[in-house]
Amino acid sequence: NAGVTQTPKFQVLKTGQSMTLQCAQDMNHNSMYWYRQDPGMGLRLIYYSASEGTTDKGEVPNGYNVSRLNKREFSLRLESAAPSQTSVYFCASSESSGGSPKPQHFGDGTRLSIL
Amino acid sequence: AQKITQTQPGMFVQEKEAVTLDCTYDTSDPSYGLFWYKQPSSGEMIFLIYQGSYDQQNATEGRYSLNFQKARKSANLVISASQLGDSAMYFCAMRANTGFQKLVFGTGTRLLVSP
Repeated sequence: NAGVTQTPKFQVLKTGQSMTLQCAQDMNHNSMYWYRQDPGMGLRLIYYSASEGTTDKGEVPNGYNVSRLNKREFSLRLESAAPSQTSVYFCASSESSGGSPKPQHFGDGTRLSIL
Repeated sequence: AQKITQTQPGMFVQEKEAVTLDCTYDTSDPSYGLFWYKQPSSGEMIFLIYQGSYDQQNATEGRYSLNFQKARKSANLVISASQLGDSAMYFCAMRANTGFQKLVFGTGTRLLVSP
């Protein structure tokens, strides 16, 4: 049971380069999320997708774009990477919250360094 | 808006002892969920335990229990019989149950279990 799979696990970019972080879940969850984690801080929400076909901005969306490709996949794109985007990126998924809030299940993270 | 506060940057405990990690929250929503996640040094985020705001009993999952005091807006994690493998960062998080609400994280507590 893979759960949430993120690729790549590590990446080094030069300022101005672009790249796409991939995320796929096999739990048939409707909702998916992208977070970033910086030292000394908790996770901050970048974008989320409440259901297939919808995406919305989170707390720190600037410099990022997302695509909900289908129910399983949710990608995060950095169009022009900046050193401030050096971080660990987590993808997560959850069942829809029709009732009690459901726990989010996380991938293993992508460590991204921008020089 | 929701807010999570974890006031203990670091905690130490000896193996086999119990430890309490503090979490206080702030929300105006009447219905919400509280979550604890563990992040070992390998980096993944592991869901531990969930407490709903209307749950009458404190949640328990094996050696983890959640000491929920609604009037005080606290949701402390209690780990009984600590093990060396419990050494990790622990994050408290909450999510309101009104519409589609994001998961809000605290800044975390680093727990070190010594032999």
